[in-house]
Amino acid sequence: ALQLTQSPSSLSASVGDRVTITCRASQDISSALAWYQQKPGKAPNLLIYDASSLESGVPSRFSGSGSGTDFTLTISSLQPEDFATYYCQQFKNFPLTFGGGTKVES
Amino acid sequence: EVQLSESGGALVQPGGSLRLSCAGSGFTFRNYAMIWVRQAPGKGLEWVSVIGSGGGGINYAESVEGRFTISRDNSKDTLYLQMNSLRAEDTAIYFCAKYATVGVSRYFNLWGQGTLVTVSS
Repeated sequence: ALQLTQSPSSLSASVGDRVTITCRASQDISSALAWYQQKPGKAPNLLIYDASSLESGVPSRFSGSGSGTDFTLTISSLQPEDFATYYCQQFKNFPLTFGGGTKVES
Repeated sequence: EVQLSESGGALVQPGGSLRLSCAGSGFTFRNYAMIWVRQAPGKGLEWVSVIGSGGGGINYAESVEGRFTISRDNSKDTLYLQMNSLRAEDTAIYFCAKYATVGVSRYFNLWGQGTLVTVSS
């Protein structure tokens, strides 16, 4: 199965910091990648689809980039409500795999 | 309000069976493919299964193939997951989600709150 490797698995950051999370696919997935945010005890929430398209209602401080095998999620200025775990997911092939997650903590 | 609501989670013994339900409201359920994703305690997300809008296009993760069956009843706006031969490693919160396909775009843009399945003796 196609594998997604996220890095780092966790990071410490402060409010106002620029945060970058990477996701590497084991094969070319074009732009078939989404990013989700998940807070404890809650369902995931879609942030980015097609690698770089911002979901409606998501703050513009979130952005995505990349294509092929290397992708990035960037939070331009971390806000208190952004402390959470972030997952990438590919839609190129079944099974629809997720990355292992990146926990953003203070 | 647009929402998905799962039910049916419970404590079940190894080897047992359980059926999860996911009721949709506030959107045209029959127009969308649907999926199940699970999350073991303290772990990441694992895609489980997908079903097309009309009931075809079914696919499963290797870890549940042959034991789980996904289905839907569009007259009731409800998605199901029949889980048989349950194992301890199936213990997880199970989420349903709406699988949006717009042109070449694919994403899960509406999720339920999840239902907990615990497999233990």
